[in-house]
Amino acid sequence: DAKTTQPPSMDCAEGRAANLPCNHSTISGNEYVYWYRQIHSQGPQYIIHGLKNNETNEMASLIITEDRKSSTLILPHATLRDTAVYYCIVRDSQGGSEKLVFGKGTKLTVNP
Amino acid sequence: DGGITQSPKYLFRKEGQNVTLSCEQNLNHDAMYWYRQDPGQGLRLIYYSQIVNDFQKGDIAEGYSVSREKKESFPLTVTSAQKNPTAFYLCASSRLRVTDTQYFGPGTRLTVL
Repeated sequence: DAKTTQPPSMDCAEGRAANLPCNHSTISGNEYVYWYRQIHSQGPQYIIHGLKNNETNEMASLIITEDRKSSTLILPHATLRDTAVYYCIVRDSQGGSEKLVFGKGTKLTVNP
Repeated sequence: DGGITQSPKYLFRKEGQNVTLSCEQNLNHDAMYWYRQDPGQGLRLIYYSQIVNDFQKGDIAEGYSVSREKKESFPLTVTSAQKNPTAFYLCASSRLRVTDTQYFGPGTRLTVL
C-alpha cells in the first residue's frame, strides 16, 4: 500500500503556481520523498526527490516540512502541458533497487 | 522515457495466446523493472532484475515471465495463465544505488480480445 495521501484532484490557472500537497505521516528517517507525473497514456516522468532539505530543479521545487510528515510540490508557472496525474512516493533508501509504490495521485488540471 | 524504448505501443492478442513485450534501454542501467497499470490505478510491480541472468518476482508475477540475457534488454511475456492481461505495461530502469531514480519507458497498451 502507498504510504502517502494526496488529494484526488486540483485545478490551477495557467501561469500561476501549482502547489500539490502530500501527507506521509509515517515516513521514517531513511525514506526519500519522490515525485513523478504521468500524462495520459504515457510513462511516468520523474520530477524531483528529497530527503530533508528543500530541493529545486528546472521542473519544480519540493518543500519538505521540518518533521518530514508532509511535503509540497511546486510548479512555479503552470502551463497547459503540466496537466497530468502527480504521484508522491516515499522510498526506503536502504532497500536496494525495488519497487515504487504508486498511489492514485493527484490529477492536476491547468486551465487557460 | 528518453533512453528506454518499449514496443509496440499498442498490442492486440486473442485470448489464450502468449505475447512478449519488448523493453530496451541504452542508459547502461543495471536494474530493470516491469510494472502493470490498470485504469485509474497506480502501478504494480511484476518483475525486476538487478543483474544479467537474474530476476525477482514482484507483487503480481503470476502469469508472467521474464528474461535478462543482456544488460540492455528485459522482455516480458504475458502468458495464457494471466487471467486479466489487458492493461498498460510500463518498463523502467535505474542504476543500482539505493537512491537512484527509476526512469520509465513510454509503455505498451495490451488488449486481449
